[in-house]
Formats: sequence, C-alpha cells, structure tokens
Amino acid sequence: GIQVEQSPPDLILQEGANSTLRCNFSDSVNNLQWFHQNPWGQLINLFYIPSGTKQNGRLSATTVATERYSLLYISSSQTTDSGVYFCAVVEYGNKLVFGAGTILRVKS
Amino acid sequence: DAGVIQSPRHEVTEMGQEVTLRCKPISGHDYLFWYRQTMMRGLELLIYFNNNVPIDDSGMPEDRFSAKMPNASFSTLKIQPSEPRDSAVYFCANILGTGSTGELFFGEGSRLTVL
Repeated sequence: GIQVEQSPPDLILQEGANSTLRCNFSDSVNNLQWFHQNPWGQLINLFYIPSGTKQNGRLSATTVATERYSLLYISSSQTTDSGVYFCAVVEYGNKLVFGAGTILRVKS
Repeated sequence: DAGVIQSPRHEVTEMGQEVTLRCKPISGHDYLFWYRQTMMRGLELLIYFNNNVPIDDSGMPEDRFSAKMPNASFSTLKIQPSEPRDSAVYFCANILGTGSTGELFFGEGSRLTVL
C-alpha cells in the first residue's frame, strides 16, 4: 500500500518562530489533507490540498503531486499551534492513510 | 450543522464486557469512517460505509469487532467481548464531497479504557 512519511518527527519552537513540516508519499494521489490534533485530542482539518498552494492565516500548504510531497508552513508560531500535525492521502477508493505525524511544541 | 457527534466521549469498562460506540454523521454526507488511534499504531482505518453499506472492513482487527449503519444518521461500533488491548480513542469521520476527492471531518472521539 501507499506509504506516507512525515518529517521531522518532533519539533520544538520558540513562540514567534517559523517552521516547515514535510509529507512524502510513495504513489500518486488525488486527495491529500493536513490535520492538527490539539492537546485535547481533537482532529481539526487544516487543508484539503491535492495540489497547488493554499493559505489560511499564519498557515499555508503546498503540494507538488508530481514529486509526491506536501509542505505545511507555520509562520509566527503561537503556543496554541502545539499538538500533532498529520498528513493523510487516499490509498484507493476513499481510504485515507495517515502518516505518523509531527509533534510540535511551541514554547512561550 | 453540529458536525460529527460521537458518544460516549469516555468509557471505562472491564475486560469481557460489551462496548458500543455511537456516531451521528453530518447530514447528507455519504461516507462514514471508523478510525482507531493508539500510541503504538497511530490512526488506523477500521471500516467505512458508503450510503449505509460497508465497503471495506479489512481494518477490523477481529471478529470481536462489528460495525453497523442502519440508516444515514446513525452508526455503531461494537466490541464484544472487550479486551485491555482494545483501549484506544475511536473516531468517527465523514467525507464532505464524493468519491476519493472528498474532505474528511472527524468527530471528537470516544476514549475507551478496558481494565
């Protein structure tokens, strides 16, 4: 099946810093999503981005489908950005496969 | 819309007991998914439905697990008998859209602890 690899596995930032999270996938996809799991366990949609670039406030994402990777940018990080960031892609049908996630801790 | 609603939010039970987790999906969304999250295995897809019909249950770990979707507004995931290794957070999710290009939305999860 499709492999989804995320890097780095964990990251510690000082508040106000910028960061880039990466998601590599082993096969072509037509559905890619980024999620944030907050410290309370809620999984929140960030981006639905099978290709191209999107921005939402301090967050933006870029997917280069032909090269099989996606990037999530966090600018001016805040403590509320802490949590786990997951990338997920469709393997077949509607089966989303999740990466192992990037654990982000933003320190004040 | 209130989003995907799951109940109970927390469940503590003893080994051997039956556990039923419930999900009320977003109205009008055709696809419903059950995921399980553990520290060791991350997020795993257990089963998903399309128009109330189970499509892929290859992720269901054992016969002790069963899932139903009797109508478009309700689904259950049942574990009978439960075991300590079933302890996890179980998420229900819906796709907004159709086919493989839909956007997935999660409920808040049901945290199960089996003693």
